[in-house]
Amino acid sequence: RKEVEQDPGPFNVPEGATVAFNCTYSNSASQSFFWYRQDCRKEPKLLMSVYSSGNEDGRFTAQLNRASQYISLLIRDSKLSDSATYLCVVKAAGNKLTFGGGTRVLVKP
Amino acid sequence: ETGVTQSPTHLIKTRGQQVTLRCSSQSGHNTVSWYQQALGQGPQFIFQYYREEENGRGNFPPRFSGLQFPNYSSELNVNALELDDSALYLCASSFGVTPAEQYFGPGTRLTVT
Repeated sequence: RKEVEQDPGPFNVPEGATVAFNCTYSNSASQSFFWYRQDCRKEPKLLMSVYSSGNEDGRFTAQLNRASQYISLLIRDSKLSDSATYLCVVKAAGNKLTFGGGTRVLVKP
Repeated sequence: ETGVTQSPTHLIKTRGQQVTLRCSSQSGHNTVSWYQQALGQGPQFIFQYYREEENGRGNFPPRFSGLQFPNYSSELNVNALELDDSALYLCASSFGVTPAEQYFGPGTRLTVT
């Protein structure tokens, strides 16, 4: 079993719609959680950290469920520019970031 | 932009050769992590350097080695290149021995033929 698993998609989303997807992790000792965004043939960029109480940044909402060991990302009012691969990232104790394989989102007019 | 730079941007090598990739970290950062990203997959952790010492390593063979210099820039060296080493190599810059957030450079795309 992979340490961090994501649905690869693609999620085809009409512009203006809401899309949500999850990521599961296997290490119950994981301490920090992040969503990164990666555009085609570009480097990953930090989208947001995920806090235990859940957090929101504009149209993006992230949730953490420690009991079921998953995190989620919800995008409201999707824009064409939201088309990207969203990488779930988990950090246990120490310094290693473990990435999921990414979920591809395609927002269409 | 993150301020993290990598060179070269693209590289083509032949199986069995050796390659050196370079990374300059963001100003004020003292930690550099290296990742390998194969096509269609997420980045895989190779190793991390903190203040010139290796500070954690992923599941990569010893032919993957690195250095960090006093100015915190870093090199990734790969010996005896194999076809499966073809990938995007990313370095990420951060501050501290257990950084929470890392900032990625644009990557070096290595093709091994």
